[in-house]
Amino acid sequence: DARVTQTPRDKVTEMGQEVTMRCQPILGHNTVFWYRQTMMQGLELLAYFRNRAPLDDSGMPKDRFSAEMPDATLATLKIQPSEPRDSAVYFCASAQGDRAFGDTEAFFGQGTRLTVV
Amino acid sequence: GESVGLHLPTLSVQEGDNSIINCAYSNSASDYFIWYKQESGKGPQFIIDIRSNMDKRQGQRVTVLLNKTVKHLSLQIAATQPGDSAVYFCAETGSNSGYALNFGKGTSLLVTP
Repeated sequence: DARVTQTPRDKVTEMGQEVTMRCQPILGHNTVFWYRQTMMQGLELLAYFRNRAPLDDSGMPKDRFSAEMPDATLATLKIQPSEPRDSAVYFCASAQGDRAFGDTEAFFGQGTRLTVV
Repeated sequence: GESVGLHLPTLSVQEGDNSIINCAYSNSASDYFIWYKQESGKGPQFIIDIRSNMDKRQGQRVTVLLNKTVKHLSLQIAATQPGDSAVYFCAETGSNSGYALNFGKGTSLLVTP
């Protein structure tokens, strides 16, 4: 049963600490999305990758957030330093997009619930 | 102090009735649309999709209607069941958004017995 795996599921950290969230996309998927979900803003796109190359990270605060794909089986989202306003659920999703995204739907992981105190 | 959260539209239906959830989009270049269902504590789950060259698509108990003229999308759920209670999101993508998948704010569906 292919699925997107995110770790950790829950993370509580103190303000100022570095946080790293990991995502294992579905094997063979070449598109990876990072979303943040809060009560105030709903689902916000932070960044996404196609074939490991960043396509758009304009939704991400550049001064503290960074997203990478070290290889095709791992995507990371890092916050340094973390702030209380970063508290949210962070979702990773993957899709198999060829010439255009619209070839198939994106599958979501279970999310990482981040609490910064 | 009191926190102010996102006010989701809420649709309450009785078990067995049909549900219709609506979504408006603004990007006229959008060419692919998806409905997702999100249950509490879980990630969004794909329900059904539709491409811009279609105006209707049917799945098991669900139908998506697309009206490109007025940029409107709807999800119809037949014979709604308690397990259908969740938040429903529409999402769209297209060439001029770089094929990023953009989500609407969501509608909360509550199915009562």
